[in-house]
Amino acid sequence: EADIYQTPRYLVIGTGKKITLECSQTMGHDKMYWYQQDPGMELHLIHYSYGVNSTEKGDLSSESTVSRIRTEHFPLTLESARPSHTSQYLCASSGTRDRWGTTEAFFGQGTRLTVV
Amino acid sequence: AQKITQTQPGMFVQEKEAVTLDCTYDTSDPSYGLFWYKQPSSGEMIFLIYQGSYDQQNATEGRYSLNFQKARKSANLVISASQLGDSAMYFCAMSLTNTGNQFYFGTGTSLTVIP
Repeated sequence: EADIYQTPRYLVIGTGKKITLECSQTMGHDKMYWYQQDPGMELHLIHYSYGVNSTEKGDLSSESTVSRIRTEHFPLTLESARPSHTSQYLCASSGTRDRWGTTEAFFGQGTRLTVV
Repeated sequence: AQKITQTQPGMFVQEKEAVTLDCTYDTSDPSYGLFWYKQPSSGEMIFLIYQGSYDQQNATEGRYSLNFQKARKSANLVISASQLGDSAMYFCAMSLTNTGNQFYFGTGTSLTVIP
């Protein structure tokens, strides 16, 4: 059973509000990721981190920001939410499988964000 | 460039039959991992099976097996004895050692199991 948690599961919020989506994992994984996914569509990487104080933007441009002050915590913040931000946000982490490779990505249950 | 290609947007299979979901990948990195995930309508991502690029044998996990053809760069998922609960989106993914083990996902295949 994966030990990665996202809160809230569902969020409906008004335009212009600041929001933070929480993601925590208890597996000690160095690598963490945020994906954005519209229903039934592919996953788009928006942020990733290889460890504390290390964050990078992903392939999909996003107005969100992330921080990684502690290994277990990787929150995502939107300073001013807009209807175009309505989507599902999935957090994931992965560890080291062997000398070269990585474990599978363990996913949280996701946050379904609706901006009205 | 697309690193993972899933060419079947939707598939149908009769209950208790086997089904193959296609996945091809593109990399020149000798060290990589291939993964399959299931995403039911509830939205969570469920890990199914892993294949390492150095693994000699095809991976199997219960009713799931991965048909790994390295020369053809394909990693097809085979689900045997389909069940109604197998209806979901299925995503193929790859991680590359030389890009810090980022995960690249395909566009997914929607599988529907017919009673």
